[in-house]
Amino acid sequence: SQQGEEDPQALSIQEGENATMNCSYKTSINNLQWYRQNSGRGLVHLILIRSNEREKHSGRLRVTLDTSKKSSSLLITASRAADTASYFCATDAKDTGRRALTFGSGTRLQVQP
Amino acid sequence: DTAVSQTPKYLVTQMGNDKSIKCEQNLGHDTMYWYKQDSKKFLKIMFSYNNKELIINETVPNRFSPKSPDKAHLNLHINSLELGDSAVYFCASSRYSYEQYFGPGTRLTVT
Repeated sequence: SQQGEEDPQALSIQEGENATMNCSYKTSINNLQWYRQNSGRGLVHLILIRSNEREKHSGRLRVTLDTSKKSSSLLITASRAADTASYFCATDAKDTGRRALTFGSGTRLQVQP
Repeated sequence: DTAVSQTPKYLVTQMGNDKSIKCEQNLGHDTMYWYKQDSKKFLKIMFSYNNKELIINETVPNRFSPKSPDKAHLNLHINSLELGDSAVYFCASSRYSYEQYFGPGTRLTVT
């Protein structure tokens, strides 16, 4: 079953605006990660936030994690046309020994120049 | 240098055929994965290998058989291909449960 569900499924904004994507998950986690996928390409890791962290920044990216609500958000500030891609959250479930991530359904972001 | 590479990038074949996809990583990671991405972009884990040992085998038909000759390689062999196998297959690697590095994908089309 899907661990992560993302919201919205698609988002279209103008260059310079901020983009916010949300992710909800179901089980306890060790960490939550965000990935970007450009059309026709593999996924690229953006940022990892551990279960004991609440907020993390990397350049124009800001990730929050609320383990009580089992949710996370990814904020991209001052968006650029090059940010156009699909964004996926992925969770590393706790105490399963699976050593695998469970990916959400993704948010398609379109940044209009 | 490419961190995670897959071959071929495109694979078009007929139903019933057997095909293989190869994956290699030069990152020194201990864990490798195969994912399937369907037409709706949903990414699902198929297999995971840690130090050449299979640790995850999701509900994948036994027509799919992964093989890991060494820690740097994880190949995927598919027997008796079906139309529903058409998808993009991604190989990935990681160290422990940290960030994963993905290959460019193999687009498989079964006709």
